[in-house]
Amino acid sequence: QSALTQPASVSGSPGQSITIPCTGTSSDIGGYNFVSWFQVHPGKAPKLMIYDVFTRPSGVSNRFSGSKSGNTASLTISELQAEDEADYYCGSYTSFSTGYVFGTGTEVTVL
Amino acid sequence: EVQLVESGGGLVQPGGSLRLSCAASGFAFRAYWMHWVRQAPGKGPVWVSRISSDGTKTSQADSVTGRFTISRDNAKNTLYLQMNSLRAEDTAMYYCGRIRDDYNGVDYWGQGTLVAVSS
Repeated sequence: QSALTQPASVSGSPGQSITIPCTGTSSDIGGYNFVSWFQVHPGKAPKLMIYDVFTRPSGVSNRFSGSKSGNTASLTISELQAEDEADYYCGSYTSFSTGYVFGTGTEVTVL
Repeated sequence: EVQLVESGGGLVQPGGSLRLSCAASGFAFRAYWMHWVRQAPGKGPVWVSRISSDGTKTSQADSVTGRFTISRDNAKNTLYLQMNSLRAEDTAMYYCGRIRDDYNGVDYWGQGTLVAVSS
């Protein structure tokens, strides 16, 4: 099974909004509402930012929001801040035997 | 506070073995399914293996079947990954993750342990 597709990089200025798409298939994103997003800072443990497409865990800023349309999920970061500079990965339940598939990752740069 | 701390990585020659550990704290380890996931340099994460809360059910990716074995010791709050017959393509950062639901979603990850397979 192939990884979910994300753009390699996205950038924005402080205060702007950016959106990271994550494209899969009907066997994963399109077929189920079990998409998660993770933030990874260098040398640190990945942090769950969004689960079940649009739900934020306790403690995650409301500047982070998730959505889905068809086979594509998206993470939007509004009011971009320097601390948001990190790698972001999507993940989804899949009906394939692996049970879970991740995205290729997107490097977010705050200009 | 939920904490997962991986250890056991290192440099190993092709064909060699390593045993990774993931020490869990801050939650009822015995109640959760757990994943091992790896990330090769410059690539996205890839699922490796999964184990049920009581350790009786396991599954693994085709790429590691017959070489890697996942296990756990609930008395020690520790998850393991025994890796045998290592190949260059197994070189990656290995992470353990706590599965939060019936659809394999993860809510907590460790910082990872690096495995490098090279002669």
